[in-house]
Amino acid sequence: KAGVTQTPRYLIKTRGQQVTLSCSPISGHRSVSWYQQTPGQGLQFLFEYFSETQRNKGNFPGRFSGRQFSNSRSEMNVSTLELGDSALYLCASKPDILGNTIYFGEGSWLTVV
Amino acid sequence: DAKTTQPTSMDCAEGRAANLPCNHSTISGNEYVYWYRQIHSQGPQYIIHGLKNNETNEMASLIITEDRKSSTLILPHATLRDTAVYYCIVRPGGYSGGSNYKLTFGKGTLLTVNP
Repeated sequence: KAGVTQTPRYLIKTRGQQVTLSCSPISGHRSVSWYQQTPGQGLQFLFEYFSETQRNKGNFPGRFSGRQFSNSRSEMNVSTLELGDSALYLCASKPDILGNTIYFGEGSWLTVV
Repeated sequence: DAKTTQPTSMDCAEGRAANLPCNHSTISGNEYVYWYRQIHSQGPQYIIHGLKNNETNEMASLIITEDRKSSTLILPHATLRDTAVYYCIVRPGGYSGGSNYKLTFGKGTLLTVNP
């Protein structure tokens, strides 16, 4: 079956703009998590959604937000972009809120100029 | 999650077996050993996980020592496409509250498969 699908794969934005990234989890998976990965900070957890509710949240400012739809698809939004937001944004899914084997998408490369 | 120690880098000849070690001496009884890899510019890829018995799937084999303090990921016939950073992590097999909902990678091992 298809894996986790993220769109867009690459994008360039200007400081102050906002961006929306999309994620379709593996079919049947209802838990979706978002991560930010940078060379300096490594993999950092943003938030996790299950049944359209945010269940866990990482230590990121309020400019970072997300949501999940009834079909388990998820979006994350970053407003008022800063240069430091340049990163690989990863979406991961798992069947439900329990269990610890998660599957990642290819990621969305965001460059803020 | 328990801390793991991996070599920074390893080389392997194409077609040979790649054996990637991982030390996890503080692993708890309910923690599994997970392996992921990340090919340059791509998202992390789940490889395999195990508790105490050796595991094998279509990608790799996982050998866990009897005392569970170390493990080895084996790629039986490495190809150039296996060049990646390999991450060994230990975490509970099921959700157990706390901060276990999030995944944390260490530095991993850069495996370079040479022609």
